[in-house]
Amino acid sequence: NAGVTQTPKFQVLKTGQSMTLQCAQDMNHEYMSWYRQDPGMGLRLIHYSVGAGITDQGEVPNGYNVSRSTTEDFPLRLLSAAPSQTSVYFCASSAIAGGTDTQYFGPGTRLTVL
Amino acid sequence: AQSVAQPEDQVNVAEGNPLTVKCTYSVSGNPYLFWYVQYPNRGLQFLLKYITGDNLVKGSYGFEAEFNKSQTSFHLKKPSALVSDSALYFCAVRSAANDKIIFGKGTRLHILP
Repeated sequence: NAGVTQTPKFQVLKTGQSMTLQCAQDMNHEYMSWYRQDPGMGLRLIHYSVGAGITDQGEVPNGYNVSRSTTEDFPLRLLSAAPSQTSVYFCASSAIAGGTDTQYFGPGTRLTVL
Repeated sequence: AQSVAQPEDQVNVAEGNPLTVKCTYSVSGNPYLFWYVQYPNRGLQFLLKYITGDNLVKGSYGFEAEFNKSQTSFHLKKPSALVSDSALYFCAVRSAANDKIIFGKGTRLHILP
């Protein structure tokens, strides 16, 4: 199993550009989520999904869109990048199991918006 | 709304001494509590969790944590620290009432040789 994979590992954008961060898992996990990590702020939940076709907002959803068309994939879209979105982005997945399962994290995407 | 507080940005401990990393939480209903560790330039790795049952839970690498419902705390502990324990530690909470898993700001643990 590859676990949770994220692409790209690094990305530089100009303000106003759009892009999609890819996340995939091969563990048949129902639950997937996106976090951003900023110094002094810890991990903040952006969006999450409890299954294909179901998504919901986390703590900091503004400026980001998600969709979940398959169990395996959970892409994160930045519609119009802003410097405030410079961060490290982590995708995670877990089996639902009543929400008691551990989350498996991807290696992260380091995004810089100029 | 659920939240997690890690009151210490950094904890310094001498190698061989016991360590404690503090975590308190606020959540409606029964909490599910987790500790994760992040090594430099890596993703997060699971350490341990409390779901129900015994208040003292044991996890990876000799770590343990004690759930205290009255104090709404879930402190991470280890009897004897190793230099290799130096890393960033995150506490997380999920309410039984919803699916959001919220993390604290993290505590950097520095073990001094």
